[in-house]
Amino acid sequence: EVQLVESGGGLVQPGRSLRLSCAASGFTFDDYAMHWVRQAPGKGLEWVSGISWNSGSIGYADSVKGRFTVSRDNAKNSLHLQMNSLRPEDTALYYCAKDIASASSGIYNVYYYYGMDVWGQGTTVTVSS
Amino acid sequence: QSALTQPASVSGSPGQSITISCTGTSSDVGRNNLVSWYQLHPGKAPKLMIYEGSKRPSGVSNRFSGSKSGNTASLTISGLQAEDEADYYCFSYARRSYVFGTGTKVTVL
Repeated sequence: EVQLVESGGGLVQPGRSLRLSCAASGFTFDDYAMHWVRQAPGKGLEWVSGISWNSGSIGYADSVKGRFTVSRDNAKNSLHLQMNSLRPEDTALYYCAKDIASASSGIYNVYYYYGMDVWGQGTTVTVSS
Repeated sequence: QSALTQPASVSGSPGQSITISCTGTSSDVGRNNLVSWYQLHPGKAPKLMIYEGSKRPSGVSNRFSGSKSGNTASLTISGLQAEDEADYYCFSYARRSYVFGTGTKVTVL
């Protein structure tokens, strides 16, 4: 079964750091780009970051650029999001998601993202004093 | 990175067809065919409904279809069913980054 399980969320004070993790199983992890997406309470979806299969291409939303760092460990089938200088507006449910485009298929440009076809259940981050 | 513009709400009766628009610019929606659409039911993870503008992932009903004209992408739901009541978001490449739409609440009357 294809599965993504996020962990690492919690309550943190403004200005502090938190590291989210996403454990992947059931698919060839190193063949796909991965994403972090968040949804603040009562708000819409916001793309946070994406990372290509080999970490060669990484992108961030302007709202987190310079504060968040995405990384992946293909040997351990894991994705991470290091979040520094957290702000109250970072409070959200954070999802890990897999891109639908296979890097080895040869039919996709591995520097673009095509759609997120597998999602975890999310981990909640609350930034408050 | 401004969010793509979607109508706040769209409604229809069972069996009818509805269309949700997603309006961007020539720098995002109009630039390529990398628009995808997601369905959100309360308390559940998002579900991919359409990718690359018009392709359906395995397991998604053929009642869902995607298209694009200029800077506007669209999701059409045909034969509307009660289970289609949910929030829908578009997503697109946007100037070296990516952005979601503002979201549309679909109500089945």
